[in-house]
Amino acid sequence: NAGVMQNPRHLVRRRGQEARLRCSPVKGHSHVYWYRQLPEEGLKFMVYLQKENIIDESGMPKERFSAEFPKEGPSILRIQQVVRGDSAAYFCASSPTGMDQPQHFGDGTRLSIL
Amino acid sequence: GIQVEQSPPDLILQEGANSTLRCNFSDSVNNLQWFHQNPWGQLINLFYIPSGTKQNGRLSATTVATERYSLLYISSSQTTDSGVYFCAVEASGTYKYIFGTGTRLKVLA
Repeated sequence: NAGVMQNPRHLVRRRGQEARLRCSPVKGHSHVYWYRQLPEEGLKFMVYLQKENIIDESGMPKERFSAEFPKEGPSILRIQQVVRGDSAAYFCASSPTGMDQPQHFGDGTRLSIL
Repeated sequence: GIQVEQSPPDLILQEGANSTLRCNFSDSVNNLQWFHQNPWGQLINLFYIPSGTKQNGRLSATTVATERYSLLYISSSQTTDSGVYFCAVEASGTYKYIFGTGTRLKVLA
């Protein structure tokens, strides 16, 4: 069984461009979580989605960031007008249900802003 | 919100040595996982252990939920064990993981 697939693994953008990060959860998992890891820090929760619904986006910056998990296709984390401070590793995790289940993590997308 | 503290922050071992990493959390939890982040940045799930004891090869973990801590034991360490070890907890009534700041382990040949 394939685990959580994230792509691209590495993404380079110039300031002001848009970044799109994709996450395909484990087959059969309908809950997706995004986390951000700044250099030399632990992971921080950003957003929790179920199919077609955002359940909790309390960890996501109010501006420039958005996330979706459509009925078909991968979850997308979108960052508009990127700035240097957006440089980080972005990890996606999935679980079959919400609470009380282990979360399965992908290998992350490393975003670098020039 | 729940606080997660890991100790020690840094650890250097000679190959073959044993070590214990600790994770303290400030409130009751539904879930707890231990991860190893390797030098390439990948997060490897080691244990899903909200309570009790588990073993997997040279690694074992114990969580005492009532006393709000978990321990990760590494025996006969190898250079490939180097990296950062994270504890992550899901506080009761939530679904998001709160990560500790990690223990950075370096194993010397």
